[in-house]
Amino acid sequence: QVQLQESGPGLVKPSQTLSLTCNVSGGSISSGSYYWSWIRQPAGKGLEWIGRIYFSGITNYNPSLKSRVTISVDTSKNQFSLKLSSVTAADTAVYYCARVKNIYAFDNWGQGTMVTVSS
Amino acid sequence: DIQMTQSPSSLSASVGDRVTITCRASQSISSYLNWYQQKPGKAPKLLIYAASSLESGVPSRFSGSGSGTDFTLTISSLQPEDFATYYCQESSRTPYTFGQGTKLEIK
Repeated sequence: QVQLQESGPGLVKPSQTLSLTCNVSGGSISSGSYYWSWIRQPAGKGLEWIGRIYFSGITNYNPSLKSRVTISVDTSKNQFSLKLSSVTAADTAVYYCARVKNIYAFDNWGQGTMVTVSS
Repeated sequence: DIQMTQSPSSLSASVGDRVTITCRASQSISSYLNWYQQKPGKAPKLLIYAASSLESGVPSRFSGSGSGTDFTLTISSLQPEDFATYYCQESSRTPYTFGQGTKLEIK
């Protein structure tokens, strides 16, 4: 059973760059059968898709965040990463990484990591 | 972007009740519709994908139907562990979007 685990700083200052990593275990990112995504959820609110990456490095981003987002993959470490630049308080949220199965459903999720943007 | 609208936003029900949650897309998404359950402090869990396919390990009391723009999630007989928030998500194209959620509470 594949498992995903997010890691990264829980506190980021305004205008700086949020950086998170998702470590994948129990399966290979390079298998080619899945996309890998980042999703976020502000406290008490709904879910927002940030973007996805394929093992080859092909990415798709949410246009609402596209100018500030970079998702990358490191197949040698079996992990993928999120960078979100120029953060503001509006970027405070729980950030989840997830596997995207066929029909593009998120079938495996990390436990989520809370990121607060504050000085 | 495709807008997903769920109804109701909240719902009170009792153990054993049959419950239906509706999700409407702003344009046709064929059967590219998925349903998730989220409990407080936990990640969402996939219940139904492709509108009506039950994810492995999910109890058969959960079912989904619909195509085009109108979809439903039905729980045939509510169990205590089903009280949670439910989200629909369209996957016909990026950016994938979610409904605003339906909070299912105990009556």
